[in-house]
Amino acid sequence: DVKVTQSSRYLVKRTGEKVFLECVQDMDHENMFWYRQDPGLGLRLIYFSYDVKMKEKGDIPEGYSVSREKKERFSLILESASTNQTSMYLCASSLTGELVQPQHFGDGTRLSIL
Amino acid sequence: GQNIDQPTEMTATEGAIVQINCTYQTSGFNGLFWYQQHAGEAPTFLSYNVLDGLEEKGRFSSFLSRSKGYSYLLLKELQMKDSASYLCAVLDSNYQLIWGAGTKLIIKP
Repeated sequence: DVKVTQSSRYLVKRTGEKVFLECVQDMDHENMFWYRQDPGLGLRLIYFSYDVKMKEKGDIPEGYSVSREKKERFSLILESASTNQTSMYLCASSLTGELVQPQHFGDGTRLSIL
Repeated sequence: GQNIDQPTEMTATEGAIVQINCTYQTSGFNGLFWYQQHAGEAPTFLSYNVLDGLEEKGRFSSFLSRSKGYSYLLLKELQMKDSASYLCAVLDSNYQLIWGAGTKLIIKP
């Protein structure tokens, strides 16, 4: 089974802090994604990556950056945390193939910015 | 714009059948996914439909009509453990997933 591990389940930070969310997958997947999940809204894509050192902006990249130095690890960085970034953050990975492949998700990090 | 609609919440009885609908308007279509998400847990993949018709997987079935922009997830012989949110997502022309807000399914004994 695919395992996507996010470093923290719960995190509390202060406004203006630089915040790092880490995600590791163990199935050699090429593609990795960061989403945020807010009540009443669908998952919103922040950034994604199709390969090492590659990154693409999703629908809501403002205030975030990412790093993919190794294939198995995809980090989300909040450069200067703000209260409107309080949310559930989900990391996902998927395989590249001829057929469409499902995304596999981590358990999420519930981030509170005070 | 792109839009996925599904009911916010549904209630059903243990042992019964429930149908969760999803309608979509997207830029192109490369398939539709259903995911299950228990509270505080990761979404887990249930099904993928790209052609019209019904696909059955045990107690769960998923239906797609591309001409109507419509899908449903059918859950039979409901169990208490089926209480969860069910997320509908469409793969658009750029192979990006567009997500619905999810349907919270409450199962009562």
